[in-house]
Amino acid sequence: EIVLTQSPGTLSLSPGERATLSCRASQSVSSSYLAWYQQKPGQAPRLLIYGASSRATGFPDRFTGSGSGTDFTLTISRLEPEDFAVYYCQQYGYSPPYTFGQGTKLEIK
Amino acid sequence: QLHLQESGPGLVKPSETLSLTCTVSGGSISGSSYYWGWIRQPPGKGLEWIGSIYYSGRTYYNPSLKSRVTISVDTSKNQFSLKLRSVTAADMAVYYCASAMPAFDIWGQGTMVTVSS
Repeated sequence: EIVLTQSPGTLSLSPGERATLSCRASQSVSSSYLAWYQQKPGQAPRLLIYGASSRATGFPDRFTGSGSGTDFTLTISRLEPEDFAVYYCQQYGYSPPYTFGQGTKLEIK
Repeated sequence: QLHLQESGPGLVKPSETLSLTCTVSGGSISGSSYYWGWIRQPPGKGLEWIGSIYYSGRTYYNPSLKSRVTISVDTSKNQFSLKLRSVTAADMAVYYCASAMPAFDIWGQGTMVTVSS
């Protein structure tokens, strides 16, 4: 089973700042099968990035996914108020289980 | 555009079976997505993948739940279902159904299941 470790657990930043979220895998993940989700309170998660770097419909280009192998990054170039949420990475590779990271809470400083 | 909606009892007694159904609208369950899945989230905690079923009927389960889980598809009703046997308080969570292409791109709103006598 691939274990995904996200860091930091909580990230406190101000609107306009740059956010960098990390997702590290216990073994190599195909870049085609790494996703990021955004979850706001009381809502279902929403697919943000798939295939490590492809943005899902509805998300602006200030969201960027990158990385390969065991290290993946989600970068938000200039934070908007609506970006403060919890972000999860997930691997959905060749074989299950399709594990999630424990999440990074992005909060307003 | 696909729409998914979970349904089922919001309260289950310990040791009993949790049964949820996900109704798919806006497309056929037989061909709309790569596969279908169930994910849960205990209150205040992270996401846990429970299992997935392919349109072919092939299933994959989280090893930690495999002995208690069954996921099935009813193409005539455009639904897929989750059964989790012998529930305990640790199974209390919001349960989501989702479609995957192959990332989970469309999610239901989720349904809270409480385990209590």
